[in-house]
Amino acid sequence: DSGVTQTPKHLITATGQRVTLRCSPRSGDLSVYWYQQSLDQGLQFLIHYYNGEERAKGNILERFSAQQFPDLHSELNLSSLELGDSALYFCASSVRDRFNSPLHFGNGTRLTVT
Amino acid sequence: AQSVTQLGSHVSVSEGALVLLRCNYSSSVPPYLFWYVQYPNQGLQLLLKYTSAATLVKGINGFEAEFKKSETSFHLTKPSAHMSDAAEYFCAVSVSNFGNEKLTFGTGTRLTIIP
Repeated sequence: DSGVTQTPKHLITATGQRVTLRCSPRSGDLSVYWYQQSLDQGLQFLIHYYNGEERAKGNILERFSAQQFPDLHSELNLSSLELGDSALYFCASSVRDRFNSPLHFGNGTRLTVT
Repeated sequence: AQSVTQLGSHVSVSEGALVLLRCNYSSSVPPYLFWYVQYPNQGLQLLLKYTSAATLVKGINGFEAEFKKSETSFHLTKPSAHMSDAAEYFCAVSVSNFGNEKLTFGTGTRLTIIP
């Protein structure tokens, strides 16, 4: 058990809809990272927050947004969903804001867009 | 820009045989290198990391990796494969570029162990 909790585990929704994925980091970790894993794109970095502030953006679409709250949990909002957004979305946390700190991954949220 | 290439999307080895998973990186500055493992229906778990202290890095579950700057490689090895090693393995590279860091993963290698 990594200590990172992601909810829900599975999400099935229709095109055009909006969903919110939630992540609770390990106790004491200030950094939260979001990754998208799909068969054709592999693991893609989306966004990184540290102690409530956005630190880095990766290949995140404008339809997607995220935030980290004062209690350090994070939410990833996906809107105007398309079939191609179907993927496994991972949250990871680490103590520091540097990428040389090991990441601790949650078990992911599997999103299916129909 | 940094990148990492994993040679072989699928590798099969017999139980008890040597495991060798290949990873080559590209970086204009000294990198940090990682190997992560993903078991079915789980998130990624850190196996080991290289942060310039020692070129031979030992990780969990008997795995180790050697950083070879001349070959820009960071191959993962285990002397004797066990059935429980069946999983997907990801090599990742991170470059310290303050203010614009990211961890870039390879495409992964699925390891199958043959009884």
